[in-house]
Amino acid sequence: EMVMTQSPATLSVSPGERATLSCRASQSVSSNLAWYQQKPGQAPRLLIYGASTRAIGIPARFSGSGSGTEFTLTISSLQSEDFAVYYCQQYNNWPPIFTFGPGTKVDIK
Amino acid sequence: EVQLVESGGGLIQSGGSLRLSCAASGLTVSNNYMAWVRQAPGKGLEWVSSLYSTGSTHYADSVKGRFIISRDNTKNTLYLQMNSLRGEDTAVYYCARSGTGYDYWGQGTLVTVSS
Repeated sequence: EMVMTQSPATLSVSPGERATLSCRASQSVSSNLAWYQQKPGQAPRLLIYGASTRAIGIPARFSGSGSGTEFTLTISSLQSEDFAVYYCQQYNNWPPIFTFGPGTKVDIK
Repeated sequence: EVQLVESGGGLIQSGGSLRLSCAASGLTVSNNYMAWVRQAPGKGLEWVSSLYSTGSTHYADSVKGRFIISRDNTKNTLYLQMNSLRGEDTAVYYCARSGTGYDYWGQGTLVTVSS
């Protein structure tokens, strides 16, 4: 069974600072990893797919890296609109059980 | 512009059934890999079920044997038939389109299962 873990559970950051979020898969997912942002009362929004490719309309301050089992989402300079919960998701499995991580909440320090 | 609009949620008693709908515009459901994802109150995202363009279906273990994903090509609509509902099925249910990652999402519909 594929298990996704994320750390930290909560990250307190000041506006303008850099935020680094981690995601780990229990087995290799190659580069089949996506990152989502979710704000209260809203549906998730795709930020990154293929571990490092920004989705359409996503600002350049969001970047993804990693492959295999270790992945990172970096927000280079946090803006007020970036305070949210971030989820990683693997889409490598067959059968396709595309597991989400438990999320990292980024809040204002 | 792609839009996914869910409907059909509501309050239902434990053991009951409910059918969720996801009406699509701007994309053809039958040509895409579509999925249902749920989120219990205050919790994270949980993949529920997927339907490929080929017709292949897949389910999370937590709903296997109780939920059925399907589509109506003439209505360009995705469905989730939910049977034998339990308290732990209480959640906002989202439909989503999978390109690489889930790139389009609906606004969600709330299902509340009462005991």
